[in-house]
Amino acid sequence: KAGVTQTPRYLIKTRGQQVTLSCSPISGHRSVSWYQQTPGQGLQFLFEYFSETQRNKGNFPGRFSGRQFSNSRSEMNVSTLELGDSALYLCASSLELARERNNEQFFGPGTRLTVL
Amino acid sequence: KNQVEQSPQSLIILEGKNCTLQCNYTVSPFSNLRWYKQDTGRGPVSLTIMTFSENTKSNGRYTATLDADTKQSSLHITASQLSDSASYICVVRTFNSGTYKYIFGTGTRLKVLA
Repeated sequence: KAGVTQTPRYLIKTRGQQVTLSCSPISGHRSVSWYQQTPGQGLQFLFEYFSETQRNKGNFPGRFSGRQFSNSRSEMNVSTLELGDSALYLCASSLELARERNNEQFFGPGTRLTVL
Repeated sequence: KNQVEQSPQSLIILEGKNCTLQCNYTVSPFSNLRWYKQDTGRGPVSLTIMTFSENTKSNGRYTATLDADTKQSSLHITASQLSDSASYICVVRTFNSGTYKYIFGTGTRLKVLA
């Protein structure tokens, strides 16, 4: 079974631009979560989608948004990029909502975003 | 404030040696605790998951312990190998009033030398 795939793997943008990242979950998985990883902050939760609906959201500004399609694939969009948005963006998929007690998340390799 | 702190930040050991990584948390209420291994350029991979009633769980050469009273967990790596070089991340899940949250530690970067 193929793992979680994310595209693109690397991205360089300039301040003020917008970017869209894509995530394809493991086949059969319906939940997709997004995380931002930076050296100083570690992983921080952005949001979770399940059945095309946002079910949970972290403490990020409205510039960060996402959506999920009927095939469970998900996209994340960041508008008006800032230097501080430079990070590794990780997508994780799971069978059910992450609120299920021992539900396991499987992470993709991430998209490395650099904002100049 | 819900926090997960890991120590040390980084660690260098020789191949074949054992090591122990620490995770202290102030998360409440506690749902479960998971250890992840993250290789450079890859996403995290789950090593173990522990619930409140579990004290020890092993996965090959990795053994995690949990003391829910002192809110401490450790990950012990036995007979380290070069492939153990990675970041190890402790994550505590909290669940309250219908919402959940994962609190991540900033990780311990382990380097195993030949």
